[in-house]
Amino acid sequence: ETGVTQTPRHLVMGMTNKKSLKCEQHLGHNAMYWYKQSAKKPLELMFVYSLEERVENNSVPSRFSPECPNSSHLFLHLHTLQPEDSALYLCASSQESGYEQYFGPGTRLTVT
Amino acid sequence: AQSVSQHNHHVILSEAASLELGCNYSYGGTVNLFWYVQYPGQHLQLLLKYFSGDPLVKGIKGFEAEFIKSKFSFNLRKPSVQWSDTAEYFCAVNIGYNQGGKLIFGQGTELSVKP
Repeated sequence: ETGVTQTPRHLVMGMTNKKSLKCEQHLGHNAMYWYKQSAKKPLELMFVYSLEERVENNSVPSRFSPECPNSSHLFLHLHTLQPEDSALYLCASSQESGYEQYFGPGTRLTVT
Repeated sequence: AQSVSQHNHHVILSEAASLELGCNYSYGGTVNLFWYVQYPGQHLQLLLKYFSGDPLVKGIKGFEAEFIKSKFSFNLRKPSVQWSDTAEYFCAVNIGYNQGGKLIFGQGTELSVKP
């Protein structure tokens, strides 16, 4: 695998479910990011991790919980989501925060 | 609050036409500037970037962009588009990058190129 990978690519979950999104980067980068991409809206930065330490939490509801166990892996734990949380969730990485970011293909999340 | 504005939401061109997509940002400090492209069904890819130096930067696939500091602009250009350029284009600005950085995206411009 090369670049940034995300699993699953598609996820349908009920409002009471708990699920996790996984991101893995194979680029040797030190910073990782979660974004939310909704139709007709700019990408919204959710979380930033630099050297496994969270450096940005962009007023994201607590039903989204990130985890960065090492510099190559990033998770987004989801629980009791709302239908308006349905979107494409993108993971990205960069050499360091501030440098150009490389994006994964995203997870298309549908909350029913 | 800092923001990035892309003037055109949807642009339709014929092949061989010239392209210019506008991007303006609101931030008075030092910035890094990027254009990303998202082809149908594919992930976001870096098209070009500006950090410092020559304000006219060249990217992949014949694209270029010019940073005009006085206008807070970073417009994307291509002299002759192809059908394969059909995609969504995002301008992004990294502010405060020397304090960790935060990438702010514009809302995107959808480009449709007719063969």
